[in-house]
Amino acid sequence: DGGITQSPKYLFRKEGQNVTLSCEQNLNHDAMYWYRQDPGQGLRLIYYSQIVNDFQKGDIAEGYSVSREKKESFPLTVTSAQKNPTAFYLCASSPRDRDEQYFGPGTRLTVT
Amino acid sequence: QQQVKQSPQSLIVQKGGISIINCAYENTAFDYFPWYQQFPGKGPALLIAIRPDVSEKKEGRFTISFNKSAKQFSLHIMDSQPGDSATYFCAASNPDYKLSFGAGTTVTVRA
Repeated sequence: DGGITQSPKYLFRKEGQNVTLSCEQNLNHDAMYWYRQDPGQGLRLIYYSQIVNDFQKGDIAEGYSVSREKKESFPLTVTSAQKNPTAFYLCASSPRDRDEQYFGPGTRLTVT
Repeated sequence: QQQVKQSPQSLIVQKGGISIINCAYENTAFDYFPWYQQFPGKGPALLIAIRPDVSEKKEGRFTISFNKSAKQFSLHIMDSQPGDSATYFCAASNPDYKLSFGAGTTVTVRA
């Protein structure tokens, strides 16, 4: 059963703590992406990776970090430097040299 | 600055009616224009997409109309059903495969 999994579905943290969101795909896709979604706004790109061991900043990378050590995994760390971390986080993947992006179910992060 | 402008923010349509959502862009390097459908608490699902060399694409009750000279594209949902009630996002992609999204349109279909 192929797809993208994100865990956990809901995550709660105290302000000042780093938190890591998981994203795994078994679609054999080369590229993976992280987006942030806020109410009434479209999706905004945080980081993306076209290939293992390489990644680039998106439009809103400040306060976030990623790693891409395996093709199937692209974890996102929300650091304490992110000023407004409460949001719905979406991971996506796409085949090499293709435009179509497929999304996971998302993780809703609440920081208080 | 949002590279893709989407309107309206929300719309209500009667069952069997037509829903129309519009998007406009400025960057002429965009070469791929998808639409995504998102239900509350779920990830977006790719619905239909078009490239600039085609003026219209139809898949079932969903049609994309594309106007390259006006830099506009739109989604038409024919014979709207209550199950179509969702938020719809237009997007546009550069040749480097980075998607820029519109702000979304919440569609409510009344039975």
